[in-house]
Amino acid sequence: DAGITQSPRYKITETGRQVTLMCHQTWSHSYMFWYRQDLGHGLRLIYYSAAADITDKGEVPDGYVVSRSKTENFPLTLESATRSQTSVYFCASSDSRRSGGTEAFFGQGTRLTVV
Amino acid sequence: GENVEQHPSTLSVQEGDSAVIKCTYSDSASNYFPWYKQELGKGPQLIIDIRSNVGEKKDQRIAVTLNKTAKHFSLHITETQPEDSAVYFCAARLTSNEKLTFGTGTRLTIIP
Repeated sequence: DAGITQSPRYKITETGRQVTLMCHQTWSHSYMFWYRQDLGHGLRLIYYSAAADITDKGEVPDGYVVSRSKTENFPLTLESATRSQTSVYFCASSDSRRSGGTEAFFGQGTRLTVV
Repeated sequence: GENVEQHPSTLSVQEGDSAVIKCTYSDSASNYFPWYKQELGKGPQLIIDIRSNVGEKKDQRIAVTLNKTAKHFSLHITETQPEDSAVYFCAARLTSNEKLTFGTGTRLTIIP
């Protein structure tokens, strides 16, 4: 199906474990983003990517790693999960070069709990 | 970097009344201001946006106003309905890239 999809939707992991959240979009948008949503903080940017093989830090990058070997995929890895990384994670994509394409589209989110 | 402040954090209005949510931004280089609606268990979805060369934009019951001099923009929802209950986020984007900086959100509750 077309769109932006995240997997898994829910994940429980233990402190210290590595976990990867997946994001896939079918529009060939150039930009992709990872946000985390926490009560009282809204949506905070973790990392973003302007194109394949180009990534950059956002507001809260510590403890996270990203890669973008293909335009359509943008996985987010927590190398050693901590309880403070318990959150809802949203992936988004956009491409303002496209006709009328200023909108950022969001996935359904991944609820991650670190115990 | 850009900083976006959003008020109020919660808002309850009677069905049929109007709701107003306000945001301020810090970077005068921002030129695009979208508003997103997030329903429970879902990702944010764009409901309206405005560019810096426009002062007001309307789409049926929803309108957004922008004051570039004061660096603030507002969302106005008229004739509110129960389905308007959700969390609303404002955001700002610089001309130089496509990063969005979000406000902290407003939980709007429509009272039947």
